[in-house]
Amino acid sequence: DGGITQSPKYLFRKEGQNVTLSCEQNLNHDAMYWYRQDPGQGLRLIYYSQIVNDFQKGDIAEGYSVSREKKESFPLTVTSAQKNPTAFYLCASSRGYGYTFGSGTRLTVV
Amino acid sequence: AQKITQTQPGMFVQEKEAVTLDCTYDTSDPSYGLFWYKQPSSGEMIFLIYQGSYDQQNATEGRYSLNFQKARKSANLVISASQLGDSAMYFCAMRENSGYSTLTFGKGTMLLVSP
Repeated sequence: DGGITQSPKYLFRKEGQNVTLSCEQNLNHDAMYWYRQDPGQGLRLIYYSQIVNDFQKGDIAEGYSVSREKKESFPLTVTSAQKNPTAFYLCASSRGYGYTFGSGTRLTVV
Repeated sequence: AQKITQTQPGMFVQEKEAVTLDCTYDTSDPSYGLFWYKQPSSGEMIFLIYQGSYDQQNATEGRYSLNFQKARKSANLVISASQLGDSAMYFCAMRENSGYSTLTFGKGTMLLVSP
């Protein structure tokens, strides 16, 4: 079955370390997105990509970086510049009006 | 300014009753889409229902219906005959068709269904 796979499900990071969250889709969707979710905040857009080798900043891109070298993959790196990275991260992809979400990665800074 | 406003942080409903979750939106784009998602405690986002700005009829999907009032810019979700499994966070989202295909989300409403 087609879908989006996010890994790992849980991730612990020490302060000052970069960490990369994986997002892979086999839906042949062109567009992919990264959202951050904090309690009581809803989902906020970090980065999005409409096509391979192109991506745009969302509302809260500071401290994050992405790449889109393959259609299937859209990894998110949380850098040490992100001051409060503890959150739930959701990856999504879309074609037309159909959006598919991954099951999320819960990142905790220890 | 918030583009999507969900004013109910939490709602309680008894099993088998109907419940309405409120959503208002703000856009100057004449073409847009409105979505509702359910997020159980596991964290996955489950698509419930979609309404396009030019759709004449209110959308319905099983026990879910969308009360779309375009002039008031509201898109309330109605869940009929609530079930215990409906307990979850519910998010309203909008896509403005003049720009990129990104979704803008509200802050969500936590629904608790009691026996």
